[in-house]
Amino acid sequence: KQEVTQIPAALSVPEGENLVLNCSFTDSAIYNLQWFRQDPGKGLTSLLLIQSSQREQTSGRLNASLDKSSGRSTLYIAASQPGDSATYLCAVPNTGGFKTIFGAGTRLFVKA
Amino acid sequence: EAGVAQSPRYKIIEKRQSVAFWCNPISGHATLYWYQQILGQGPKLLIQFQNNGVVDDSQLPKDRFSAERLKGVDSTLKIQPAKLEDSAVYLCASSLARTGGTGTEAFFGQGTRLTVV
Repeated sequence: KQEVTQIPAALSVPEGENLVLNCSFTDSAIYNLQWFRQDPGKGLTSLLLIQSSQREQTSGRLNASLDKSSGRSTLYIAASQPGDSATYLCAVPNTGGFKTIFGAGTRLFVKA
Repeated sequence: EAGVAQSPRYKIIEKRQSVAFWCNPISGHATLYWYQQILGQGPKLLIQFQNNGVVDDSQLPKDRFSAERLKGVDSTLKIQPAKLEDSAVYLCASSLARTGGTGTEAFFGQGTRLTVV
């Protein structure tokens, strides 16, 4: 059974810092992994989708890496800004492949 | 391209009342999902449609929750009767095909925040 864990649960950093959010999953036989952002009271915005054949994806100041064999992904945010404050969720397919399982998220607060 | 539309945005009801949520997915997306997100937790899949057929409803409390997707486009999720523990954000998402196996991105609506008092 696929389980997804995100560490830390919450993070507060000063503006300008580089930071890393972690995601681990128990079943490494995944097709892809997706990182989302969720602002308070809002839906989810897709940030990056990494296919199983890829090791990383980049979008602007965001870089997501995937290590399937160890069941881990990291989301790297460079030069953090107050506007980055949100909850970041990672999601992977369940064992079997056709249902998406989410972690509980990391709540990020970037102080100006 | 228009996103996933959901209504209402907020709903407050008393326990044992009924409530319905509506979702209009992105045009052309065959797969539609309803998720329940309790405060402080990640979203949990309630039901997944492929066109107008149910693919997965293993975590849907069928004694009180029901969902339909007529004509393979819009969908409604109903709760009858509501319980206090149903207070959550209900998120609708759609994708071109099933996520996971096909590597297709899911796009989410803004969600409906339900409070049961």
